[in-house]
Amino acid sequence: SQQGEEDPQALSIQEGENATMNCSYKTSINNLQWYRQNSGRGLVHLILIRSNEREKHSGRLRVTLDTSKKSSSLLITASRAADTASYFCATGYGGSQGNLIFGKGTKLSVKP
Amino acid sequence: DGGITQSPKYLFRKEGQNVTLSCEQNLNHDAMYWYRQDPGQGLRLIYYSQIVNDFQKGDIAEGYSVSREKKESFPLTVTSAQKNPTAFYLCASSLDFNYGYTFGSGTRLTVV
Repeated sequence: SQQGEEDPQALSIQEGENATMNCSYKTSINNLQWYRQNSGRGLVHLILIRSNEREKHSGRLRVTLDTSKKSSSLLITASRAADTASYFCATGYGGSQGNLIFGKGTKLSVKP
Repeated sequence: DGGITQSPKYLFRKEGQNVTLSCEQNLNHDAMYWYRQDPGQGLRLIYYSQIVNDFQKGDIAEGYSVSREKKESFPLTVTSAQKNPTAFYLCASSLDFNYGYTFGSGTRLTVV
């Protein structure tokens, strides 16, 4: 399966702490994306990193990509209770594969 | 405001019935996608369409059908052949997989 795998499956931290989630995948990708899902809602696109990029920032989010290890990490700095959600990585492969493949997600709980 | 609208939010299906989930976007996106999400799971691709009048099966297309007669619309029919349809269904659109997806707010389908 080409599906990415997030690690850990669940993460519980205190407000103000940093949260790190990891994603591993199996075959070469064109891009990797991170999404957030609040309970019972649709997904929201957070950030896209292309295979020739190593790091991207967006506000309190920092994403790294290591294509040699086939892995990515999402760091949320100074977390807030409102960051409580599930976070999914999705991999894009290009060519005839015209869609993203989503992992099973990391459930983040930020306690006030 | 541009966006993607799914309706209804909740849907109840009796055994043996076909039901249709609506997905409309006004983002002028070429590509549209249907995903299924089961509790605590990631997203699994049902169908996707990269252009009007063309669509491709995803990983779990059995028991589902779609049409793409207009750029803005990509309805999903859950047929009686789908034996376990209770799930959360998410529609998304994008320029293509190289860009972030915009998701609708989902339809929760329950068999009664």
